[in-house]
Amino acid sequence: DAKTTQPTSMDCAEGRAANLPCNHSTISGNEYVYWYRQIHSQGPQYIIHGLKNNETNEMASLIITEDRKSSTLILPHATLRDTAVYYCIAIGGSQGNLIFGKGTKLSVKP
Amino acid sequence: DTAVSQTPKYLVTQMGNDKSIKCEQNLGHDTMYWYKQDSKKFLKIMFSYNNKELIINETVPNRFSPKSPDKAHLNLHINSLELGDSAVYFCASSPWTGMRTDTQYFGPGTRLTVL
Repeated sequence: DAKTTQPTSMDCAEGRAANLPCNHSTISGNEYVYWYRQIHSQGPQYIIHGLKNNETNEMASLIITEDRKSSTLILPHATLRDTAVYYCIAIGGSQGNLIFGKGTKLSVKP
Repeated sequence: DTAVSQTPKYLVTQMGNDKSIKCEQNLGHDTMYWYKQDSKKFLKIMFSYNNKELIINETVPNRFSPKSPDKAHLNLHINSLELGDSAVYFCASSPWTGMRTDTQYFGPGTRLTVL
């Protein structure tokens, strides 16, 4: 599975958009980009995933660059409850496991 | 209506004891997993079962033995507990399409403390 690189931490003001970047420059053509988050002391929670196209659901939007070497998770209106560690994972096909890195600790502040 | 549940939530025990953690999912999924999150917060897969058959077994001591009585349950038995086994253990499940890209749904975790 492709290695992903994320900033260690980010801050965001409540009500503003939170943009979390992820680099996956060695991603292969059949690898998806998945985002999970882990709110303190809880189990990881699925947010969104994509392959090539941008994706949007009720939680977030995922913007994937045309060369697929990086992506951005967007929480359009961050709330205090979005404070969590966000994991970007590249995984594909029938190979490999869901490998969690260190993620980005997002702190949403009032 | 909890999707993936684990019991107990907290488990404190002495070194050398044998303990079990139970996991149940009501999502109708075919695949279940056990993950370990250590004190440094790294989350690593331990086992995966599909329809009661082991499909992933990472480098885990054989003191750890998963048991799946049916596809809705995956229990984790740990023998001869050691201090290093202290961690939070998460169960997860996913539908099975033969792809590792299946979305996984996690339980609330079991915090195991070995004294």
